[in-house]
Amino acid sequence: GAVVSQHPSWVICKSGTSVKIECRSLDFQATTMFWYRQFPKQSLMLMATSNEGSKATYEQGVEKDKFLINHASLTLSTLTVTSAHPEDSSFYICSASVSSGANVLTFGAGSRLTVL
Amino acid sequence: QQQVKQSPQSLIVQKGGISIINCAYENTAFDYFPWYQQFPGKGPALLIAIRPDVSEKKEGRFTISFNKSAKQFSLHIMDSQPGDSATYFCAAGSSGTYKYIFGTGTRLKVLA
Repeated sequence: GAVVSQHPSWVICKSGTSVKIECRSLDFQATTMFWYRQFPKQSLMLMATSNEGSKATYEQGVEKDKFLINHASLTLSTLTVTSAHPEDSSFYICSASVSSGANVLTFGAGSRLTVL
Repeated sequence: QQQVKQSPQSLIVQKGGISIINCAYENTAFDYFPWYQQFPGKGPALLIAIRPDVSEKKEGRFTISFNKSAKQFSLHIMDSQPGDSATYFCAAGSSGTYKYIFGTGTRLKVLA
């Protein structure tokens, strides 16, 4: 089946530094990927839609300059948390659509970010 | 109009019992309703999904019941097992878009 891989699975960084999280579709091409943020015991909140070869579309309230998204190929999207602060600590999850029209999303295993 | 309300927030069931989780949506444009299972520290995994042209879908021990007029759908887990202990999210979306609206989640614990 379709597999979405995220890396790293967890990362700890100092306040003020930037962190990059990768999302890869391993056995299929994904023109669109999605990035979510999940706080402990809470639901998934869509942050942005990552489009291959074009700019990402951000949800209302999400700072595009803070959460940089790049989708340079059909199998890779990256989320960079710039100048991270403790309040950015969260579980970040990506997903990709397996095939057009099927409405099926496959999620990655998530990346736990802790900002000290 | 974009909310998906999920209940209960948490649920404890004895092994072998039936777990029932309910969701209600508002946007009548939604036509795809998946359920995801999430274990701690992992991403959500698709469990089962339904479209509004059917009122029920069953896959193994998991059944979705769908009431279009009431804009409600529910997940039933028959013969619940300790391994089913996880957080379950319902979601709603529209064909041609993958921007799901997720429910708030239900933490299920099945006692051995």
